[in-house]
Amino acid sequence: NAGVTQTPKFQVLKTGQSMTLQCAQDMNHEYMSWYRQDPGMGLRLIHYSVGAGITDQGEVPNGYNVSRSTTEDFPLRLLSAAPSQTSVYFCASSPFSGGGNEQFFGPGTRLTVL
Amino acid sequence: AQTVTQSQPEMSVQEAETVTLSCTYDTSESNYYLFWYKQPPSRQMILVIRQEAYKQQNATENRFSVNFQKAAKSFSLKISDSQLGDTAMYFCAFMKHTGTASKLTFGTGTRLQVTL
Repeated sequence: NAGVTQTPKFQVLKTGQSMTLQCAQDMNHEYMSWYRQDPGMGLRLIHYSVGAGITDQGEVPNGYNVSRSTTEDFPLRLLSAAPSQTSVYFCASSPFSGGGNEQFFGPGTRLTVL
Repeated sequence: AQTVTQSQPEMSVQEAETVTLSCTYDTSESNYYLFWYKQPPSRQMILVIRQEAYKQQNATENRFSVNFQKAAKSFSLKISDSQLGDTAMYFCAFMKHTGTASKLTFGTGTRLQVTL
């Protein structure tokens, strides 16, 4: 199993550009989520999904869209990038929602918005 | 809403020594889960240890153990016989027991440096 994969690993955008961060998992996990990591702030939840077709907002959802059409994939879309979205983005998955399950993290994407 | 506080931004320990990282949290929930995650320079998030709040016994994983004080809302991580490979950022995290989502609330992290 590849686990949780994220592409790209690094990305530089100009203000106003759009892009999609890709996340895929091959463990048939029900729950998937996106976090951003900023210096001195830990990881903060952006959006999450408890199954295909079901998504919800986390702590910092503004400026980001998600969809979940399959169990495997959970892309994160930036519609109009802003310098405040410069961060490291992590995708995570777990077998099912609740129950204190371990979340498995992808390797992260470092995004810089100029 | 839950909050997680890690009051030690940086710590240093010599190889083979023992170090304790502190974590406190605030919640009105009675059942929940607590985690310690390790993030080495590779950036990969790795689960170190997990504690269920309704269990009295402190969790242990090899050289890693926790001191869970539910009444004090404290969850510290003890690393025994520290190794150079333990050098990393350590994050404490909280998860509610109920509900349909496995949302984690993280602290701001403690950077641990293990020296020779």
